[in-house]
Amino acid sequence: AQKITQTQPGMFVQEKEAVTLDCTYDTSDPSYGLFWYKQPSSGEMIFLIYQGSYDQQNATEGRYSLNFQKARKSANLVISASQLGDSAMYFCASGGTGTASKLTFGTGTRLQVTL
Amino acid sequence: GAVVSQHPSRVICKSGTSVKIECRSLDFQATTMFWYRQFPKQSLMLMATSNEGSKATYEQGVEKDKFLINHASLTLSTLTVTSAHPEDSSFYICSAATRGGSPLHFGNGTRLTVT
Repeated sequence: AQKITQTQPGMFVQEKEAVTLDCTYDTSDPSYGLFWYKQPSSGEMIFLIYQGSYDQQNATEGRYSLNFQKARKSANLVISASQLGDSAMYFCASGGTGTASKLTFGTGTRLQVTL
Repeated sequence: GAVVSQHPSRVICKSGTSVKIECRSLDFQATTMFWYRQFPKQSLMLMATSNEGSKATYEQGVEKDKFLINHASLTLSTLTVTSAHPEDSSFYICSAATRGGSPLHFGNGTRLTVT
């Protein structure tokens, strides 16, 4: 079984600043994948970034980077140069690596970007 | 890029009726689709996994006779909420996976309200 913990129900960040959204995970699987999704108020789930447990380097996708610390079982999302459009719910999830697998989601963090 | 289409986006039905939700992969073949449910201000909970041409696998606590899933083709999965009751009101969202790929693509979700 996998478990995802997101301890920040809400976060505020000023426009153009960087913000870190925390995520810790618990899994007994030897290999796994970690995902971050963005959910705006419209409800759609937008894939942001993926990290495989055996990836040597932290994943980056544009303004998103994943601070993966395997020993601490953490997979924090860093958003650089925040924009007003980044205001949304952010979910951390765990699943399989590179194969179709179900995802286990955390409870989410609501990010508000302010002027 | 790959797109998953979910229809309808919003539906209101009377208690006791059945509602069908469609999830289509538009430009790729989806060997596996996942159905999630999200209550207001909560996380996504996996309901079931459907594989093309075989029976769906339901998560513990999900009534398979109430939530009928059909994955008859590589591009379409349907979720039918049978004899809907007000407690079935929720946000239902599907995701689709390609063969050998992680489920990165979600539909836009369906908001079901049962009156």
